[in-house]
Amino acid sequence: NAGVTQTPKFQVLKTGQSMTLQCAQDMNHEYMSWYRQDPGMGLRLIHYSVGAGITDQGEVPNGYNVSRSTTEDFPLRLLSAAPSQTSVYFCASSSPGQGSLNYGYTFGSGTRLTVV
Amino acid sequence: AQSVAQPEDQVNVAEGNPLTVKCTYSVSGNPYLFWYVQYPNRGLQFLLKYITGDNLVKGSYGFEAEFNKSQTSFHLKKPSALVSDSALYFCAVRGTYNFNKFYFGSGTKLNVKP
Repeated sequence: NAGVTQTPKFQVLKTGQSMTLQCAQDMNHEYMSWYRQDPGMGLRLIHYSVGAGITDQGEVPNGYNVSRSTTEDFPLRLLSAAPSQTSVYFCASSSPGQGSLNYGYTFGSGTRLTVV
Repeated sequence: AQSVAQPEDQVNVAEGNPLTVKCTYSVSGNPYLFWYVQYPNRGLQFLLKYITGDNLVKGSYGFEAEFNKSQTSFHLKKPSALVSDSALYFCAVRGTYNFNKFYFGSGTKLNVKP
């Protein structure tokens, strides 16, 4: 089925470890974003990309890196995990212009990350 | 700057009664407003949007939302709630100058009791 696929669904890390959260979409969407969801704070934008080779920072980029080498993939890297990065992470994509107006974002099912 | 506020952390309603989930916004320029629903352990799903035109917009699962420009509000409504409507609801506004940015409210948990 077409959509946004995130892996893994669950992950436990030790403080200081690094890891990559994977995100792939098969809808040929140009826009992709990473959000984190924390209780009482809604969704906060970490990084986003408007196309292959182009990325930019959102509201809470510190401690995270992204790259966009292909239209389909937008991985999120945690460089040195900290307990404050315990959260649920969502990847989302949309087509530009009228597409994003019509449907907003398509979201993946999320990655629940715990840093101990 | 764009922002969205959802003043209620939780809304409780009995099945069969009407429900309202509140949202107010702040944007420069014309607002592009969205409602999303999140079921447990799932991603957010698009419910409905307001771009322009009629102030009452209809969406999925019998939900509708009323855009009120003077009150800068975009409340989500449903005439008759179902237990299966219990979920987390997010209001969002699309960035005026950066279309890729969506600004989300903090979410409202809707509990529909039988």
